[in-house]
Amino acid sequence: DQQVKQNSPSLSVQEGRISILNCDYTNSMFDYFLWYKKYPAEGPTFLISISSIKDKNEDGRFTVFLNKSAKHLSLHIVPSQPGDSAVYFCAARPNTGNQFYFGTGTSLTVIP
Amino acid sequence: GAGVSQSPSNKVTEKGKDVELRCDPISGHTALYWYRQSLGQGLEFLIYFQGNSAPDKSGLPSDRFSAERTGGSVSTLTIQRTQQEDSAVYLCASSLGGQGIHGNTIYFGEGSWLTVV
Repeated sequence: DQQVKQNSPSLSVQEGRISILNCDYTNSMFDYFLWYKKYPAEGPTFLISISSIKDKNEDGRFTVFLNKSAKHLSLHIVPSQPGDSAVYFCAARPNTGNQFYFGTGTSLTVIP
Repeated sequence: GAGVSQSPSNKVTEKGKDVELRCDPISGHTALYWYRQSLGQGLEFLIYFQGNSAPDKSGLPSDRFSAERTGGSVSTLTIQRTQQEDSAVYLCASSLGGQGIHGNTIYFGEGSWLTVV
């Protein structure tokens, strides 16, 4: 039962353009959402997060948008850089407990 | 320590042997998680500890898998009678735990790469 879904396994974007990675969830009890970035042969690293009381959080080139009614969040990277090429995982945590649910990841390739 | 530390970083074992993977979480983190990623797959949840107890071990794939945590710190994931399908990277993560914004981010180690031949 995949409670967090990333329906696009891969995405290719030209350098300088915007990358938009999408994530959907099913559990209305989720109240905190995170994005992680993973390079090959490394562990995932935390990128950006958003609480359910917000609909947008921005950190430099990275912005996460949350649409609670649609149970959808997205990560925008602008401008995209070749070093952004990695697998991106979204994750969600319910308002009770400390369990984190991860999506299956989207592999982003930024073409120079 | 400064980050989550896992050992061994790489392990090649023969089918049927037992393996132990160790995780040393960030100092002060009460919550500890084990995930695995098989080739071409996403992050698969295995087990979660809060302190020394495991409120959620629903992700352990079979009874060959077990994990323990002692002293609220180091955790060991044990795989008995390894099979080729156990080959994956096993990722450990930790968080401050508890409710509230500061407990909400988990930090991963570099992973233990297991190959069963």
